[in-house]
Amino acid sequence: AQRVTQPEKLLSVFKGAPVELKCNYSYSGSPELFWYVQYSRQRLQLLLRHISRESIKGFTADLNKGETSFHLKKPFAQEEDSAMYYCALIPFPNAGGTSYGKLTFGQGTILTVHP
Amino acid sequence: NAGVMQNPRHLVRRRGQEARLRCSPMKGHSHVYWYRQLPEEGLKFMVYLQKENIIDESGMPKERFSAEFPKEGPSILRIQQVVRGDSAAYFCASSPLLSGRADTQYFGPGTRLTVL
Repeated sequence: AQRVTQPEKLLSVFKGAPVELKCNYSYSGSPELFWYVQYSRQRLQLLLRHISRESIKGFTADLNKGETSFHLKKPFAQEEDSAMYYCALIPFPNAGGTSYGKLTFGQGTILTVHP
Repeated sequence: NAGVMQNPRHLVRRRGQEARLRCSPMKGHSHVYWYRQLPEEGLKFMVYLQKENIIDESGMPKERFSAEFPKEGPSILRIQQVVRGDSAAYFCASSPLLSGRADTQYFGPGTRLTVL
């Protein structure tokens, strides 16, 4: 079974400082990795997914299969980045249809960016 | 597009009562997922449904919990004879017809169930 670990429950940085939210996973096959974000009083929304290889709101994440990690990084944090961040995984390719689309989430990291 | 709708947003039940949580997926989405978030924990998958079909219910507790997604109307997550341990936030997500890759899931605001 797959597992996603976010070792930091809380992370505080100052505005303008670099930030890295850690995510490690365990899965024997090739996973698809996601970062979801939940801002205060808003619903959970997709921030980025590794197959897109894009930067959203200045955030990037690189899938490192050797270290089984998918850390989220931003070089200069902003106050509006304060939120709960979840790393999530979907097994890929389709594992016989029974786990297709089923997201496995980490426990989340609360990021606080201080002015 | 109003996004994924869930109601009620807050639900209070006494032990032994039934809880019904509703989820209306985004327009054009035929796949619905339910997740549960217990206090101090991440979201955990419960069930994956398509219209009139349960595809994967591997995350559903064996007893008291059921889910449906009828041809017409919202998806319903039903919890019978609730216990205090059922208190949690229940999130619904929907995605469009899968095209060979895992499509993005769009989440609703969640229903916070409190069992007294």
